[in-house]
Amino acid sequence: DAKTTQPPSMDCAEGRAANLPCNHSTISGNEYVYWYRQIHSQGPQYIIHGLKNNETNEMASLIITEDRKSSTLILPHATLRDTAVYYCISSPKGSSNTGKLIFGQGTTLQVKP
Amino acid sequence: DAGVTQSPTHLIKTRGQQVTLRCSPISGHKSVSWYQQVLGQGPQFIFQYYEKEERGRGNFPDRFSARQFPNYSSELNVNALLLGDSALYLCASSLGLVSYNEQFFGPGTRLTVL
Repeated sequence: DAKTTQPPSMDCAEGRAANLPCNHSTISGNEYVYWYRQIHSQGPQYIIHGLKNNETNEMASLIITEDRKSSTLILPHATLRDTAVYYCISSPKGSSNTGKLIFGQGTTLQVKP
Repeated sequence: DAGVTQSPTHLIKTRGQQVTLRCSPISGHKSVSWYQQVLGQGPQFIFQYYEKEERGRGNFPDRFSARQFPNYSSELNVNALLLGDSALYLCASSLGLVSYNEQFFGPGTRLTVL
């Protein structure tokens, strides 16, 4: 079973910021938070990951609470092409990891014109 | 640069048959993982290989097997197909070691079992 919980669906207006929450209250100290998204009929796409500091890349920003029990993925200016299922995953990194990503149901983000 | 490639794109089989799915990772990536995605669900982890050795296995029956070749490409084999094996099979590659979780997925193989 997935160790994270996400709302099943969200809407966002095109051009506005999309804020996708994720709860990972049982996260271990050595586990990172990863975000992937899956656009219809395609394979999942890696977005970003972080441990405890906020992270930003060309796709999104990741805000992790100080207690690490939750995080928010921010798409600063959502476009119609950002419509997808977004998955939040917690997993250890490094030699203790076996590359096993546990996907939950994710959040279906619908960006509307 | 070429991404992860998978073949075939679509496949139709009947119950009891065997199937082999193929995956070519991104150049330089040494780790390959396989996932099964049933309609309406998130991907489920099947196997992970690094440097030709199995490093992780999900909760799938022994009918599922895989291997990785010296060029890091991989095959997933499923024997004695059941109707419930109908799914999208995804292959993902990563550099390996500390980067296992930053996986790059292929477009998948859509398997239909009749």
